[in-house]
Amino acid sequence: NAGVMQNPRHLVRRRGQEARLRCSPMKGHSHVYWYRQLPEEGLKFMVYLQKENIIDESGMPKERFSAEFPKEGPSILRIQQVVRGDSAAYFCASSRSAGQRNYGYTFGSGTRLTVV
Amino acid sequence: GESVGLHLPTLSVQEGDNSIINCAYSNSASDYFIWYKQESGKGPQFIIDIRSNMDKRQGQRVTVLLNKTVKHLSLQIAATQPGDSAVYFCAEAEVSGGSYIPTFGRGTSLIVHP
Repeated sequence: NAGVMQNPRHLVRRRGQEARLRCSPMKGHSHVYWYRQLPEEGLKFMVYLQKENIIDESGMPKERFSAEFPKEGPSILRIQQVVRGDSAAYFCASSRSAGQRNYGYTFGSGTRLTVV
Repeated sequence: GESVGLHLPTLSVQEGDNSIINCAYSNSASDYFIWYKQESGKGPQFIIDIRSNMDKRQGQRVTVLLNKTVKHLSLQIAATQPGDSAVYFCAEAEVSGGSYIPTFGRGTSLIVHP
């Protein structure tokens, strides 16, 4: 079991460009969560998705940010027209479907986005 | 608003000592609490969890204590080792239908001196 895979590990974008972050959940996991972490801070929830559905996007900025989890393929977090304030580590986590006793999330190693 | 916070941002201990990391929470509706360990350049790693119907849970070298009366959570690490050096986060959540979204505190950096 390869765990939660995120790529790229590091991403550098110029202001105004688009950033695409990918997350492949663990095998058997159908719930995906995206978090953002600024330096020396905790993780802030952004969005929660199941296959083809956004369940909770209360933590997503209203503009420039979007997320999807298609029927086939990884979940994508997309940031359009990046600004320097978007520089952060973005983590993806996955979990099993509802009803499982083990509630533990599994996190990926993150994508570190740097906007120059 | 409701939040999860930590009393100490940095904790330094000697190898072999016991470590205690504290956390305060304010959302009285939270019924599930988790401790995570994050090493440099890595994602958070689940350590131990506890439901609100318990006040203590033990794992391998780690113990989590929950005091709902004062909304306090602690993580105890026995015989701390250099490999325990990391940032530790507590998180709280309300479990609904088996799913939950944890709210993370800021974190405590644990430094273990050999």
